Amino acid sequence: NAGVTQTPKFQVLKTGQSMTLQCAQDMNHEYMSWYRQDPGMGLRLIHYSVGAGITDQGEVPNGYNVSRSTTEDFPLRLLSAAPSQTSVYFCASSAYSGRAYEQYFGPGTRLTVT
Amino acid sequence: GENVEQHPSTLSVQEGDSAVIKCTYSDSASNYFPWYKQELGKRPQLIIDIRSNVGEKKDQRIAVTLNKTAKHFSLHITETQPEDSAVYFCAAHPSGSARQLTFGSGTQLTVLP
Repeated sequence: NAGVTQTPKFQVLKTGQSMTLQCAQDMNHEYMSWYRQDPGMGLRLIHYSVGAGITDQGEVPNGYNVSRSTTEDFPLRLLSAAPSQTSVYFCASSAYSGRAYEQYFGPGTRLTVT
Repeated sequence: GENVEQHPSTLSVQEGDSAVIKCTYSDSASNYFPWYKQELGKRPQLIIDIRSNVGEKKDQRIAVTLNKTAKHFSLHITETQPEDSAVYFCAAHPSGSARQLTFGSGTQLTVLP
């Protein structure tokens, strides 16, 4: 199992550009989430999905879109990049089990918007 | 929604000493409390978790305690080693809900040799 994978690892965008961060998992988990990590602010939830075709907003959804057409994939779209979106982005997946909703994180994408 | 506060934001200890990190949560419906360790440039990884029907849980040098009445939980690391240096995050999850984890803001632990 590859677990949770993310691409790209690094990205530099200019203000106003759009792009998609890719996330995939091969553990057949129903729950997937996107977080952003900024210094001193921990991990903040952007969007999440409880299954294919179902998504919902987290704490900081503005400027981001998601879709979940398959169980495996959960891409995050930046519609018009802004410097405030400079951050490290983590995708995570989870499944309810004896360990409740244990989250498995991807390796992260470091995004810089200039 | 849930709000998780974590203290301290930075913590330095001498190798061999103990370290304690504390978190409080606001949603009394939360019943799952994991702790994640994040080494520099790496992804967060689960190190220990506790459910609300348990007051304490240990795994070798790490332990977590939970006080549901006061809505706070703590991570204890004994006999600290340099490889324990990392950022530690606490989190809380409401029971029976599709909502996701709410994380604390993190504690940078430095173990001095």
